[in-house]
Amino acid sequence: DQQVKQNSPSLSVQEGRISILNCDYTNSMFDYFLWYKKYPAEGPTFLISISSIKDKNEDGRFTVFLNKSAKHLSLHIVPSQPGDSAVYFCAARAGGAGNNRKLIWGLGTSLAVNP
Amino acid sequence: EPEVTQTPSHQVTQMGQEVILRCVPISNHLYFYWYRQILGQKVEFLVSFYNNEISEKSEIFDDQFSVERPDGSNFTLKIRSTKLEDSAMYFCASNRGNSPLHFGNGTRLTVT
Repeated sequence: DQQVKQNSPSLSVQEGRISILNCDYTNSMFDYFLWYKKYPAEGPTFLISISSIKDKNEDGRFTVFLNKSAKHLSLHIVPSQPGDSAVYFCAARAGGAGNNRKLIWGLGTSLAVNP
Repeated sequence: EPEVTQTPSHQVTQMGQEVILRCVPISNHLYFYWYRQILGQKVEFLVSFYNNEISEKSEIFDDQFSVERPDGSNFTLKIRSTKLEDSAMYFCASNRGNSPLHFGNGTRLTVT
């Protein structure tokens, strides 16, 4: 089941620079996408989301871009900080009624921000 | 900020034994979930629960699994007869419905 793919298992960037995490999906029924951040020994924490009717959503240092035709989304973190070092998961939800529909997850990308 | 709490943080059990993983969702949330992550693999949906009944379950959630909300605060996942392949991190989550999921810190289940 490869409906949500994060092809880069790890990423390393310098503090202050931009981090770009990528995610691809195959299911055209997905209508809502989320990014979660996970520190070791903790559960995933919601970061930012985007509906399929939008192509960009911004929240402070975090911006998510959605390219529906390419079935691709990306998370930009600017400027990157050492505290951003974590595993970032892309997740997607298929269409249909009910806000509690299951999330389909990518494998995650481990981001290391170096001071 | 309210949190989802899970106990125990680590559970070791022998194959064939029953385990109960416990969760206390955020108090004003209405929807409850269990997800799991086998080491090195994706986070996988197990089950969602609303209004005292299962609203959706995955193919993983077979007859060996059950969920219960025995009182107004706890939400439990029971595995009747554990198998080696049930070893994973189990995450409980909750939300109000139209909001992102809030996850607990997980229970690491090790089946020997």
